[in-house]
Amino acid sequence: KAGVTQTPRYLIKTRGQQVTLSCSPISGHRSVSWYQQTPGQGLQFLFEYFSETQRNKGNFPGRFSGRQFSNSRSEMNVSTLELGDSALYLCASSSPTGDSGANVLTFGAGSRLTVL
Amino acid sequence: QKEVEQNSGPLSVPEGAIASLNCTYSDRGSQSFFWYRQYSGKSPELIMSIYSNGDKEDGRFTAQLNKASQYVSLLIRDSQPSDSATYLCAVNPWDSSYKLIFGSGTRLLVRP
Repeated sequence: KAGVTQTPRYLIKTRGQQVTLSCSPISGHRSVSWYQQTPGQGLQFLFEYFSETQRNKGNFPGRFSGRQFSNSRSEMNVSTLELGDSALYLCASSSPTGDSGANVLTFGAGSRLTVL
Repeated sequence: QKEVEQNSGPLSVPEGAIASLNCTYSDRGSQSFFWYRQYSGKSPELIMSIYSNGDKEDGRFTAQLNKASQYVSLLIRDSQPSDSATYLCAVNPWDSSYKLIFGSGTRLLVRP
């Protein structure tokens, strides 16, 4: 069973540019979440999508946006990049488990963004 | 106060010893708790999930949950050098089962 696939794995952008990251979830998983990981702030929740609807959004500025397509694939976009946006962006897909119905996340390898 | 707190470490233990990793959380309504392991340069991978008070064992790993004390821990028995990694505690907040709040992680170093 293929895992969560994220593209691109590495990218370098300059301030003011925008970037789009892509995520293909595990087959059958309909929930896709995005997290930002930085040395200073750790792992922080960006947003979560299910059946093309955003169900949750973290405390990030409006420059961060996302969407989900009918095949559950998801993209996130960051506009007007700032130096502080340099981070590892992790996508995770999930499906409710038998235990309490909780969603267990499986992470992709991540997209490492460097903003110069 | 951070929502999920962990000692950043590093926690250094000799090979074969028991490593004890601790986590406290502030949201008393949290229902689901997870431990993820993250090797340097890699993405987090799930080790354990726990939902009820008490212990849950899986091989060399035991998760312990005490909701009254808002405390969750991970014990690693017979620690191996390959266990050296950062261990992340994560919690579902009461108002959403669709997001996780992560601690900053504890770095574990197992000495051969």
